[in-house]
Amino acid sequence: DSGVTQTPKHLITATGQRVTLRCSPRSGDLSVYWYQQSLDQGLQFLIQYYNGEERAKGNILERFSAQQFPDLHSELNLSSLELGDSALYFCASSSRGGEQFFGPGTRLTVL
Amino acid sequence: AQSVSQHNHHVILSEAASLELGCNYSYGGTVNLFWYVQYPGQHLQLLLKYFSGDPLVKGIKGFEAEFIKSKFSFNLRKPSVQWSDTAEYFCAVWDNYGQNFVFGPGTRLSVLP
Repeated sequence: DSGVTQTPKHLITATGQRVTLRCSPRSGDLSVYWYQQSLDQGLQFLIQYYNGEERAKGNILERFSAQQFPDLHSELNLSSLELGDSALYFCASSSRGGEQFFGPGTRLTVL
Repeated sequence: AQSVSQHNHHVILSEAASLELGCNYSYGGTVNLFWYVQYPGQHLQLLLKYFSGDPLVKGIKGFEAEFIKSKFSFNLRKPSVQWSDTAEYFCAVWDNYGQNFVFGPGTRLSVLP
């Protein structure tokens, strides 16, 4: 158990819908990272937050957004969903410069 | 921007064979280096890390990695693989200059019993 929690574990939805994925980092970690993992794209970095502020952006689509709240949990919002958005979405947390600890992931299926 | 390459997309070995997975990052400066493993159906777990000091780093499950600064490399090794090592392996770099974390594309290891 890495100490990072993600909810829900599985999510099945339809195209055009909007979903919210939630992540709680390890106690004391200020950084939260979001990744998308799919068979064809591999592990793609989406976005990083540090203590409530956006720190780095990767291959995140405009239909996707994220935020980190004062209690340091983070949410990833995915809207206007397409079939190709079906993937595993991982959250990770770290202390500054340290290794990332990954959550168990949310498996999103868009039908 | 920092980038990480891994030499092999897919490696197939028999049990007891030796393993070396290559990893290179694009430029120097102060970096922290990591190898992660992802077993089928699971999330990524840390195998080992290098921050400073002895460039030969020992990790869990008999894995080790060697940091060669002049080659910008951080190769992962294991003298004798087991079937249970079948997984995907990711090299990653924390770039202190860019303050970002970059993963390599991953190498899939299949160990045949």
